[in-house]
Amino acid sequence: DAKTTQPPSMDCAEGRAANLPCNHSTISGNEYVYWYRQIHSQGPQYIIHGLKNNETNEMASLIITEDRKSSTLILPHATLRDTAVYYCIVRGHNAGNMLTFGGGTRLMVKP
Amino acid sequence: DGGITQSPKYLFRKEGQNVTLSCEQNLNHDAMYWYRQDPGQGLRLIYYSQIVNDFQKGDIAEGYSVSREKKESFPLTVTSAQKNPTAFYLCASSSSGGPETQYFGPGTRLLVL
Repeated sequence: DAKTTQPPSMDCAEGRAANLPCNHSTISGNEYVYWYRQIHSQGPQYIIHGLKNNETNEMASLIITEDRKSSTLILPHATLRDTAVYYCIVRGHNAGNMLTFGGGTRLMVKP
Repeated sequence: DGGITQSPKYLFRKEGQNVTLSCEQNLNHDAMYWYRQDPGQGLRLIYYSQIVNDFQKGDIAEGYSVSREKKESFPLTVTSAQKNPTAFYLCASSSSGGPETQYFGPGTRLLVL
C-alpha cells in the first residue's frame, strides 16, 4: 500500500468548509484513495473514495490532483458533529479489505 | 437493524488471564476483521477472516487467537502471552466489494488490572 501523509491536526469554524489534505506520492495506478473518520471512542466510518476523478456524496467531496499524488477531502459546511479523526488510506480495490490506518488528522470544529 | 455488535463495552483483565471479546454481525458479510487501537494512534490489524473456518494473521497477531466457526461470529481471545493488552479493540466486517463496504463495531476497551 502507498504511504500517506496527513497533518496531525486542523481547526475549522462551524459552518465553514473544512479542507483536509493528504499526500500519497507513491500511489500506483490501480490504487484508490479512501477516507474514513473516527469520532471519539467509536468505530471508524467510511466517507468516500475515488480513483482519479473528483467524487461527491452526501457527506463530502474528494478532490484528487491530476498526478494523483495528493488529495483533499472537503466537508462543505462543517458542524460540531464533524469533530473527529480523519484517515486517508490508499489501497487497491481488489487487494482485500484489510485496512492500514495511520495517525490521521484530528479535525476540531469550533463554534 | 443490521450491524455489528461487540461485547462487552469495557473489559477488565487480571495479569496472566485470557479474555475473549465477542463480535457478531448480521450484515451477511463474508469477511471479518479485528483491529487494535492504542491511545492517539491509528488502527492496526490483528487477524482477519475472509470465509468461515479460515483466518489469517494481520500485522500484530502475537498474543491473540481467533476462531470463525460461524459466518456471523468472529471472537478474539487475548491470551496471557500478550504483554501489553490494554487498548481499544475494534471488529469490522465487509462484503466482497471494496474497502468502502467495511463496517466497524462500537469497540471494546480492555484494561489490565
